[in-house]
Amino acid sequence: GESVGLHLPTLSVQEGDNSIINCAYSNSASDYFIWYKQESGKGPQFIIDIRSNMDKRQGQRVTVLLNKTVKHLSLQIAATQPGDSAVYFCAENNAGNMLTFGGGTRLMVKP
Amino acid sequence: DSGVTQTPKHLITATGQRVTLRCSPRSGDLSVYWYQQSLDQGLQFLIQYYNGEERAKGNILERFSAQQFPDLHSELNLSSLELGDSALYFCASSAKTSGRVINEQFFGPGTRLTVL
Repeated sequence: GESVGLHLPTLSVQEGDNSIINCAYSNSASDYFIWYKQESGKGPQFIIDIRSNMDKRQGQRVTVLLNKTVKHLSLQIAATQPGDSAVYFCAENNAGNMLTFGGGTRLMVKP
Repeated sequence: DSGVTQTPKHLITATGQRVTLRCSPRSGDLSVYWYQQSLDQGLQFLIQYYNGEERAKGNILERFSAQQFPDLHSELNLSSLELGDSALYFCASSAKTSGRVINEQFFGPGTRLTVL
């Protein structure tokens, strides 16, 4: 499949461990944030979102934390599995429904 | 499968040419977005259409244009192509946008454009 960004920061974790992917966003007026997962050769896939009036939101095996003071977003994946290997993007919404994407982090899961 | 379809999957063309990329949104979605993903610039928002009308514009070149038709499918037209236009082009769709209600965007599989 196509590679997405040959020079992405990479996080390598052991299968079963927890993963934490971080993202710094730029606009303090952003009120909605999304994490997307992109596997090789595919389009970005929604994982979880959070609105600016929340600090934390949990999904199935994933948790998003939002720290508006330092404009920081993180995605925690519990019990990481080989199928979690992908590039992860954070995106912020600051104007209508227009998303601004971060540069992405490649997650590699070692069996 | 997100429900968003894009054609063609791959497109190879020469500099100076013009191409059209097509997107069909999820059933019922009124908003369509176009993004460009290149190796050196990540995912860049190009343009949004809502129910046939242009709603927002991002980093879209003047050589590029888009439209959304009455059946809600959308086309992205790229003209006077340059080597640097080689990239993945994604379409996304979302449900009805109402004021400041923000809806999740569902992405298609993308079109890989190679300009030689």
